[in-house]
Amino acid sequence: GAVVSQHPSRVICKSGTSVKIECRSLDFQATTMFWYRQFPKQSLMLMATSNEGSKATYEQGVEKDKFLINHASLTLSTLTVTSAHPEDSSFYICSARDPLATDTQYFGPGTRLTVL
Amino acid sequence: DQQVKQNSPSLSVQEGRISILNCDYTNSMFDYFLWYKKYPAEGPTFLISISSIKDKNEDGRFTVFLNKSAKHLSLHIVPSQPGDSAVYFCAASMYTGKLIFGQGTTLQVKP
Repeated sequence: GAVVSQHPSRVICKSGTSVKIECRSLDFQATTMFWYRQFPKQSLMLMATSNEGSKATYEQGVEKDKFLINHASLTLSTLTVTSAHPEDSSFYICSARDPLATDTQYFGPGTRLTVL
Repeated sequence: DQQVKQNSPSLSVQEGRISILNCDYTNSMFDYFLWYKKYPAEGPTFLISISSIKDKNEDGRFTVFLNKSAKHLSLHIVPSQPGDSAVYFCAASMYTGKLIFGQGTTLQVKP
């Protein structure tokens, strides 16, 4: 299957700092990427849809000024958690939709964010 | 409002037997369903999918069945192997590509 990478895999930061997470599709161009977060023992919750060259679409209840998404190229989307607080600690996962198989999404390995 | 539900949080099966994981949904607009396998601290791995116009899709040991009238789908794993032990998520998709996930079912396959 297609490969999606995320960087970093794990980050620990102080409260009030900003953290950037990168999501890359390695062997296909993804016009659409998605960002999810998962709390322990819970399901994956969609945060936003990232569209190349346009603004991201955020799900209800997700603060767009808190979670900045940039999809500058067909292989890269970034999620920046601004002014992070301990309640932002979570597992963040991106996915990319293969344009040749639009009903299949491939997920990155995830990023574990811990805010102290 | 949980549009995709996996009502069994866990399932334990003996190696070699069949594992059946169930998923129910409420939105008839979903047009594609997917199953993912997930290990702790890793991203989900795609297993198998099915279009809403089909009732069965098979790939090796994995078969997904869809009952549209009941808004129910299931994943069958035959024969189950210890390496299949993981959390399994079903997900439903609409034309936008957004995936709605169920809560997950933890499968344990005992040797």
